[in-house]
Amino acid sequence: SQKIEQNSEALNIQEGKTATLTCNYTNYSPAYLQWYRQDPGRGPVFLLLIRENEKEKRKERLKVTFDTTLKQSLFHITASQPADSATYLCAPRNYGGSQGNLIFGKGTKLSVKP
Amino acid sequence: DAGVTQSPTHLIKTRGQQVTLRCSPKSGHDTVSWYQQALGQGPQFIFQYYEEEERQRGNFPDRFSGHQFPNYSSELNVNALLLGDSALYLCASSYWTGATRIQNTEAFFGQGTRLTVV
Repeated sequence: SQKIEQNSEALNIQEGKTATLTCNYTNYSPAYLQWYRQDPGRGPVFLLLIRENEKEKRKERLKVTFDTTLKQSLFHITASQPADSATYLCAPRNYGGSQGNLIFGKGTKLSVKP
Repeated sequence: DAGVTQSPTHLIKTRGQQVTLRCSPKSGHDTVSWYQQALGQGPQFIFQYYEEEERQRGNFPDRFSGHQFPNYSSELNVNALLLGDSALYLCASSYWTGATRIQNTEAFFGQGTRLTVV
């Protein structure tokens, strides 16, 4: 069955450091992979999408890599800030199917300490 | 643009009761998906509505049903509530692009409805 594993349930880092979150998937051949941010009691908010033919994608302090051989995506936040503290979810998507039918990992809760 | 709106924000129900949650999609979006998120878990897909029909369904029992209206808004109904149905229920909207649906990249989520079954 399809499985998504995010490296750890919680990640604690110091302000200014780079946070690296991992998303591993099995039994998928994703056309693309999305990362979302979720604050407590709120719905997920889309951050970045990376397609299977892209190695890396950047947006401001965010960087996502996608290695289809390793079946892994890495999500980096550089110069992290306490405001980056949240749960980050990855959602790989296969070709076809519905846009709405996202399958999420459990998420990694990031805490950035000042 | 109001984005995706859900109501109510919080709800407390008794086991065995029925509940209806509501969602208005983002302007220009015609597809609504519902998710259940238990504490400490990622959102789990319940079903999706497009053109007033259920198009896809996740692994949820028939107690979970829905509806989409001509204005694209949607309802999620849960019958015979169980304690295990306590969760954050999320609505996400998107738009259908047919064969090029893959180009429709992101889903927009509402703030969710926190359902507590006692």
